Amino acid sequence: EPEVTQTPSHQVTQMGQEVILRCVPISNHLYFYWYRQILGQKVEFLVSFYNNEISEKSEIFDDQFSVERPDGSNFTLKIRSTKLEDSAMYFCASRQGSNSNQPQHFGDGTRLSIL
Amino acid sequence: DQQVKQNSPSLSVQEGRISILNCDYTNSMFDYFLWYKKYPAEGPTFLISISSIKDKNEDGRFTVFLNKSAKHLSLHIVPSQPGDSAVYFCAASGNGGATNKLIFGTGTLLAVQP
Repeated sequence: EPEVTQTPSHQVTQMGQEVILRCVPISNHLYFYWYRQILGQKVEFLVSFYNNEISEKSEIFDDQFSVERPDGSNFTLKIRSTKLEDSAMYFCASRQGSNSNQPQHFGDGTRLSIL
Repeated sequence: DQQVKQNSPSLSVQEGRISILNCDYTNSMFDYFLWYKKYPAEGPTFLISISSIKDKNEDGRFTVFLNKSAKHLSLHIVPSQPGDSAVYFCAASGNGGATNKLIFGTGTLLAVQP
């Protein structure tokens, strides 16, 4: 069964450094998402991406964050200058179409640890 | 943001019995509800969903019930198996379109005892 893949599984970065989290969505999917889960908290929406542009972003997704689909297969989340509070699990998800009955499929996540 | 709530952080049931996981929501504009299962070190895995125009959806051992007037949904697992032990997340989404972001509950840890 096709799946969403995320790399790396664990990223350790010094505060203030840039980090790029990578995702390969399912190949025929058109809608892409990033979520995060801070330890002990709920999974939170960050951003959605469709047709090569952001379709919605949350309050969390400030100017330090950006997303890109550079080559038609990868979908990346960049954090420009990481803060301690960016430490979390980051999940990428993709969805085939816009029908509500098509669920989002998630990758296994990248654990980001900011020191 | 408490739009989707799962008030039971954990549930323990015996193998073969029914597991009932509950979820409440506040936003009447949600039109689709989903349940995801999550094992440690893995991402959420889609389990079952229900449209707001229905009150029940069944898939094998899993049934989701929706009570719109009470803004409540539940997931029934019958019979429960040890492999069902995981965290279960309830999620909701609004109308269709490019976004359809998911709003998650805090999850319920289900432990099925052999």
